[in-house]
This record gives sequence, C-alpha cells and structure tokens, in this order.
Amino acid sequence: SQELEQSPQSLIVQEGKNLTINCTSSKTLYGLYWYKQKYGEGLIFLMMLQKGGEEKSHEKITAKLDEKKQQSSLHITASQPSHAGIYLCGADIITDSNYQLIWGAGTKLIIKP
Amino acid sequence: KAGVTQTPRYLIKTRGQQVTLSCSPISGHRSVSWYQQTPGQGLQFLFEYFSETQRNKGNFPGRFSGRQFSNSRSEMNVSTLELGDSALYLCASSSLLKRGRAQETQYFGPGTRLLVL
Repeated sequence: SQELEQSPQSLIVQEGKNLTINCTSSKTLYGLYWYKQKYGEGLIFLMMLQKGGEEKSHEKITAKLDEKKQQSSLHITASQPSHAGIYLCGADIITDSNYQLIWGAGTKLIIKP
Repeated sequence: KAGVTQTPRYLIKTRGQQVTLSCSPISGHRSVSWYQQTPGQGLQFLFEYFSETQRNKGNFPGRFSGRQFSNSRSEMNVSTLELGDSALYLCASSSLLKRGRAQETQYFGPGTRLLVL
C-alpha cells in the first residue's frame, strides 16, 4: 500500500461547489506540500505546511495539517474551471533515520460547468 | 527569477536508442531531483544531485543515469530505451542543503514528454 494515500482518486464537482481532498501518511510527517498539475505539464507549488494545526490559504484554496492524524486536507471554496487538474501531495517523512520525500498518487479534479 | 527549465519538451525515440534530457534549475538552487511520471505509477523518484554529487537514488535500473555540472545544470540519460520508458520526466530544484527537519520546497520544471516507439 501507498505510504501517502490521497483520497479521492478523482472528483467531479459542479462549478461553484466546495470540495475537499485528503492526504494521509502512514509515517510521521515533518512537512507536507501541495502541488497542482495540468495534464502533461509540470507541478505548480501551492503551499507547504510544517506544524500541526497549521493552516494556509491562497485565493480560494485552503490547506490544513493535522499532525495527530498524520493527515492534510485541501479545501477549495466555490470551485471554478481554473481549479481543474491533478492535485498531488508530497510529504517529508523519516525512514530508517533518513529523511525522505514521498508522493501521493494524485487526485484528478474535474469541474462541471 | 526564471523558473526551472527543461529541454527538450517533447521527444520521440525508438526502442534501443538512448536519450539525454536537460534541466536548468532556478538560479541559486544547488539541489536537482529527477522524477518519472506515468499514469499507472504516479510520480517516481529517480535521483537527486547536489553540488555535482548524486545524493539519493530511487529504484530504477542502471540504464537511468544522471549528472550535475558545476553551474548546477543537470542532465539525465536513459540508455537502451524500452517501451515502458515512455513517460513525463520532471526535474525539480530546491535550495535545500540536506533534507531534514527544515523543509524546503521543490520547484518543478514543465517536464519532458518522452515517447518510445
């Protein structure tokens, strides 16, 4: 199983509706990153969370880190067509005393007009 | 600051050939990481270079190799291409000296889409 699980795998949302994507780690998190990717293009950095309970917002996107649950959620308010794409989370974890950056499989978001 | 650049953006090769991809990091960034992204496997880490030294390596065969130059630019090479090597190859740079409790964001290039026929 994946060390960093993203859910859901895909999401179809009516334009204007809110949505949430989750990213859960099976290992202790030290940092959590959210990226967005348009099909076939590079990853665009959205935000980084470092401390438990930290919450950051950028335009209509808010991300929170729950250190106890080893989980981060990405919430989009009043979705727009420009929000469509693949959202990936990356996490700094420790494995065998080494820090490692691992990645989720991504959540594909489609916005219906 | 200019972002991470990758060349070429698209490439078509045939099985058995070799290919070299190039990545120029953000100015001042000394760490460069390479990833392979496919629909089935997601984002897979290939290797990371820092100051011309390979610091970390993923679980890929020896056909995949890389190097970093003194100006931090990096190249990756894939020899004896196989159909399964068709993928989007992404390069990311950061100013991170050593991955540890101080996190540092990686910034990605647009990728090179490789198609092996």
